[in-house]
Parts: sequence; structure tokens; C-alpha cells
Amino acid sequence: NAGVTQTPKFRILKIGQSMTLQCAQDMNHNYMYWYRQDPGMGLKLIYYSVGAGITDKGEVPNGYNVSRSTTEDFPLRLELAAPSQTSVYFCASSPHSSTNEKLFFGSGTQLSVL
Amino acid sequence: DAKTTQPTSMDCAEGRAANLPCNHSTISGNEYVYWYRQIHSQGPQYIIHGLKNNETNEMASLIITEDRKSSTLILPHATLRDTAVYYCIVLASGTYKYIFGTGTRLKVLA
Repeated sequence: NAGVTQTPKFRILKIGQSMTLQCAQDMNHNYMYWYRQDPGMGLKLIYYSVGAGITDKGEVPNGYNVSRSTTEDFPLRLELAAPSQTSVYFCASSPHSSTNEKLFFGSGTQLSVL
Repeated sequence: DAKTTQPTSMDCAEGRAANLPCNHSTISGNEYVYWYRQIHSQGPQYIIHGLKNNETNEMASLIITEDRKSSTLILPHATLRDTAVYYCIVLASGTYKYIFGTGTRLKVLA
């Protein structure tokens, strides 16, 4: 069982470039999340989704876009990369069949914008 | 959602109990308390959660005060592998936005 898979693991971008961080889960979870973590800091919620076709903003959505066309996939798009977006990005999913459900995290994508 | 306050860092001797406090004084009746930890730069790992009763599992115990304004995560016999950042999160029933704070950096000393 793969769980939550994030690709790529590492990426270096130049300022102004765009890219998509991929996240896929094979647990049939309805709820998916994107977080970023700056060095030495806690996790900040970027966007989340409660099911295919439904997304909502988190704490720090500016500079990012998401889509959720399938239950399995929740890609995060950076359109015009900026140095402030240098961070580690984590994707997570949850079944949320009740409130007593935990988050399952991927291993993260380390992104540097130079 | 209620905000949480945790100490920035703590040390604990190996083999001793690690007691990690969390203040959530604005918690409301339908909000659960969740604990996660993050080892190095891995994705956070679920530890335990509770509403009002004390909870115990194979990893830890969660003690919630009677007024629910604070809680304590207890690692009964800390090992070096428990060195991590521990996050206390409050999540309202029916909501889905897990908001992580800055957590407590626990260092277990040999």
C-alpha cells in the first residue's frame, strides 16, 4: 500500500518559472491537503479539498492554485515562482468518515527558487 | 477554531516520562485535541487525539483537564527516537482544516 505519494522529491526553479507538484493517494480518501513548511517553522495550510471538484483556501493560498479532478490526485500549481516559495511542501489525506480521523502525510517535496 | 499555545522547546532524559503541555483556553465543546509529531523533515505522524476523556494508546497518553482548557501529552518512557517536534491541534467537529502551530521541539538526552 503506497499511501500518499509526492513527486518530485527535490526541485530547483528559477524565478518566474512554473511547475506542478504532484500528490496521489491510493486509500480512497476524500480529504486532501497541501502544506508548506519553511525552515525551522511549523506547517502552514495552503489549500485543501473535501472531494473531487471541491477545493478551498487555507492560511497561505497566494501564489498557488489547485485542482481536484479525481479522488486520487491533488496537484499544486506554482505559476510564477518566487524566492519566498522556497520551502518543503507536504501533501496529506484523510478519510474523515467521522471527525475521529487522522491525517496521512507524504514524504514531501523540497523546492528551491533561485 | 481554537488557538493552541505550546512551549518552544523541552528536554527529557532517556527512559524518563516526557510531559508536553498544550494550552487551548478558547476551546469549545465540540473541538477535539489532536497530537502529531514530526521527526527531522519527515511528514508529521499522528500520535493520539481526544475530546474530554483521557486517552491512551501504544504510543502515548493524553490527559485533558476537566475544563478542557489545556492538555498534556505523555510519552511514558522517552527514547532517543522520540526526539521530534510535537504539534497540538484543535479541530472542530465537522470542520476539516487542520491548522498546525509552531509545536514543541522535544530533545531526548542520553
